[in-house]
Amino acid sequence: AQSVSQHNHHVILSEAASLELGCNYSYGGTVNLFWYVQYPGQHLQLLLKYFSGDPLVKGIKGFEAEFIKSKFSFNLRKPSVQWSDTAEYFCAVKFSSNTGKLIFGQGTTLQVKP
Amino acid sequence: DAGVTQSPTHLIKTRGQQVTLRCSPKSGHDTVSWYQQALGQGPQFIFQYYEEEERQRGNFPDRFSGHQFPNYSSELNVNALLLGDSALYLCASHLTVASKAFFGQGTRLTVV
Repeated sequence: AQSVSQHNHHVILSEAASLELGCNYSYGGTVNLFWYVQYPGQHLQLLLKYFSGDPLVKGIKGFEAEFIKSKFSFNLRKPSVQWSDTAEYFCAVKFSSNTGKLIFGQGTTLQVKP
Repeated sequence: DAGVTQSPTHLIKTRGQQVTLRCSPKSGHDTVSWYQQALGQGPQFIFQYYEEEERQRGNFPDRFSGHQFPNYSSELNVNALLLGDSALYLCASHLTVASKAFFGQGTRLTVV
């Protein structure tokens, strides 16, 4: 079955610490990969996406993610987090190119202490 | 501003009742998807509408139904509400069926 898993459910960091959130998916074919962020009281926003090409993808607000096909992983990273990065982060995968259906992971709550 | 608008923002219903949620897609978008996000979980795909027809459906019972209007706006209907239907319901619009999703802020449904 198509599935997406995020390893960290709740992460607490101090400002300036480095962040890495794990994401793995179950399928071995061609996939489109996404990271979304949901700030408190706001809508889901796209941080970055990978369709093809360079497996290191840069997104907004200093975030980046690396696609490792052999590990079915798409981990999100940020070298130095800020208090304003406190939010919920979701990894999502589109398993078919002819659909808009996204399969989401269960999310990671990031709390950044000032 | 996401450009995708949903109404109402909050709703409280009693078990067994029926509910209708509404979504207006981003300007220029003709495809709408609906997701259910239970507390502490990621969004789960309910269905997608394009050209006023349901094009793809997730693993949800027939109590969940939808509609898309000629102006591309959409409704999600849930019949015979259960306590477990309490969730945030998200609408996403797409420029085309397979293109990037833009999400609205959601409707928080509480079933009591």
